[in-house]
Amino acid sequence: DTGVSQNPRHKITKRGQNVTFRCDPISEHNRLYWYRQTLGQGPEFLTYFQNEAQLEKSRLLSDRFSAERPKGSFSTLEIQRTEQGDSAMYLCASSLSRGNNFDGYTFGSGTRLTVV
Amino acid sequence: AQKVTQAQTEISVVEKEDVTLDCVYETRDTTYYLFWYKQPPSGELVFLIRRNSFDEQNEISGRYSWNFQKSTSSFNFTITASQVVDSAVYFCALNPNFGNEKLTFGTGTRLTIIP
Repeated sequence: DTGVSQNPRHKITKRGQNVTFRCDPISEHNRLYWYRQTLGQGPEFLTYFQNEAQLEKSRLLSDRFSAERPKGSFSTLEIQRTEQGDSAMYLCASSLSRGNNFDGYTFGSGTRLTVV
Repeated sequence: AQKVTQAQTEISVVEKEDVTLDCVYETRDTTYYLFWYKQPPSGELVFLIRRNSFDEQNEISGRYSWNFQKSTSSFNFTITASQVVDSAVYFCALNPNFGNEKLTFGTGTRLTIIP
């Protein structure tokens, strides 16, 4: 397994268009997370899944955002009617959750979205 | 509420100098994890260290060392004999309670090592 894979690496879209990003986690990891990082800031939590269940969504995740993890494997993050404020790096991470033992995430390289 | 403060926005040092990156955190939880991640220009966040709130022992890994002080809510990171490859943005992060794996990140410190 080569780690967490995100596609595409870069996406430029016109305002108002829909975009979809994909994340393939480490295969044995049961948790998957989406974060957003804007320029000069640290990553901010968006949502996370345990297997196929979406357990928490941040208030940052407006109605235009939707995330899925069918079958508990890869995940997609869709943004509808993109706005210039959506321009950011979208980071995916995965982890193996075992009770209260948290070793930390493995992050992907991110998808950089530019809305023009 | 949880908060992580990295007051140093940018630091530049000459190669081979030592440098310390500061991290101060706030949480009401008595149990928590603290992390440091490195983000090179490629963008991927690279895990450096995890420390739980029960363990205040300092840790050393090669040229890297971490000083955790609960009394001052600080978790500082020192690079000894810095190298150009250490140039990156470094993030401190807090996981406020065991079992909840959501991380709160600081705003990062951009470290530039001048050859």
